Amino acid sequence: ETGVTQTPRHLVMGMTNKKSLKCEQHLGHNAMYWYKQSAKKPLELMFVYNFKEQTENNSVPSRFSPECPNSSHLFLHLHTLQPEDSALYLCASSQSPTGGAEAFFGQGTRLTVV
Amino acid sequence: GENVEQHPSTLSVQEGDSAVIKCTYSDSASNYFPWYKQELGKRPQLIIDIRSNVGEKKDQRIAVTLNKTAKHFSLHITETQPEDSAVYFCAASINSGNTPLVFGKGTRLSVIA
Repeated sequence: ETGVTQTPRHLVMGMTNKKSLKCEQHLGHNAMYWYKQSAKKPLELMFVYNFKEQTENNSVPSRFSPECPNSSHLFLHLHTLQPEDSALYLCASSQSPTGGAEAFFGQGTRLTVV
Repeated sequence: GENVEQHPSTLSVQEGDSAVIKCTYSDSASNYFPWYKQELGKRPQLIIDIRSNVGEKKDQRIAVTLNKTAKHFSLHITETQPEDSAVYFCAASINSGNTPLVFGKGTRLSVIA
């Protein structure tokens, strides 16, 4: 185990539903990330948090809303999603938000929007 | 911002042969270049990385080379084995500043026994 845990592992939701993805890291890292992995864009950065502060939003639609209550937990709140949002959502953490530090990934949440 | 291009998108090799995956980057300030391996159904995991102060790094059957002038870096896997079959991602970033890793689109490597 790399110390980054994501729940749930699988999620099926309707376009009118609201759900949340959870990520937890026990590595003492101060930076956490959300990536979207799909066939079209294999590892697309969505959000970056450093010491609970959002430092990057990579032009992500507002139907995705991140939350970072502390350095160990990261959430991704989902509402009124579209079928094209179906993908694997990966959480990662690292010692710093800059490069030069290994990013540790969670196992991901496989999201299907119906 | 940084842009990372990776080639080829798919690669098939016979067991025992070598495999080479190439990446280019656009930001000359980038100085950290990791490679991640993602096996089917699993998370990406770091396998090797290189920083801009060296031109080559080797770890058993895998090696990475970096050409800063040309802004490209490559992953070399020798004596490939079936368990090397996976998707490999290159990435680039700047060691200082507020820039997270930018990944290439991945290479699906198949090692045929």
